[in-house]
Amino acid sequence: ETGVTQTPRHLVMGMTNKKSLKCEQHLGHNAMYWYKQSAKKPLELMFVYNFKEQTENNSVPSRFSPECPNSSHLFLHLHTLQPEDSALYLCASSQDSGRLSSYEQYFGPGTRLTVT
Amino acid sequence: QKEVEQNSGPLSVPEGAIASLNCTYSDRGSQSFFWYRQYSGKSPELIMSIYSNGDKEDGRFTAQLNKASQYVSLLIRDSQPSDSATYLCAVWSYGQNFVFGPGTRLSVLP
Repeated sequence: ETGVTQTPRHLVMGMTNKKSLKCEQHLGHNAMYWYKQSAKKPLELMFVYNFKEQTENNSVPSRFSPECPNSSHLFLHLHTLQPEDSALYLCASSQDSGRLSSYEQYFGPGTRLTVT
Repeated sequence: QKEVEQNSGPLSVPEGAIASLNCTYSDRGSQSFFWYRQYSGKSPELIMSIYSNGDKEDGRFTAQLNKASQYVSLLIRDSQPSDSATYLCAVWSYGQNFVFGPGTRLSVLP
């Protein structure tokens, strides 16, 4: 596997379900990100992890819970979601070594989430 | 909240023409600027990055940055139908992290 992978690619869940999204990067990067992309809205940065430490949480509701066990893996745990949470969830990674060029982000294919 | 603005389009250009995509940003402390291309149903793909004032060329793509005017643009020369996509402008700054614009939809007509 190369680049950034995400599973599952599609997910349909009820409002009372608990599910997890998985992201894995094979680029040797130090930072990983979760984004939400809804129709007709800009990409919204949700969480940032740098060297496994969460460095940003953009006022995301607690029904979204991230986990980063190491620099290569990132999870997004979902529980009691709302229909308005239906969106494309994108994972990205970057080198984040301090040089400006190291902030180039590479995205995974995304998980299309539908909450019923 | 820092903002990144783009015309939503659609921007239509004939095949072979130059497509010009524009982006403005509100945070004067922004340091890194990126252009992503996103095909319908796909994830964003990095096509250009620029960090200092002036032009940066890569193949048919040229990024232009003017920090004084808080403006960054992307020119696509010899536009092809395969360039039809949404182009996202992203801005990075310390403390603000990444902010994306809403994207400009480009349509290249054969």
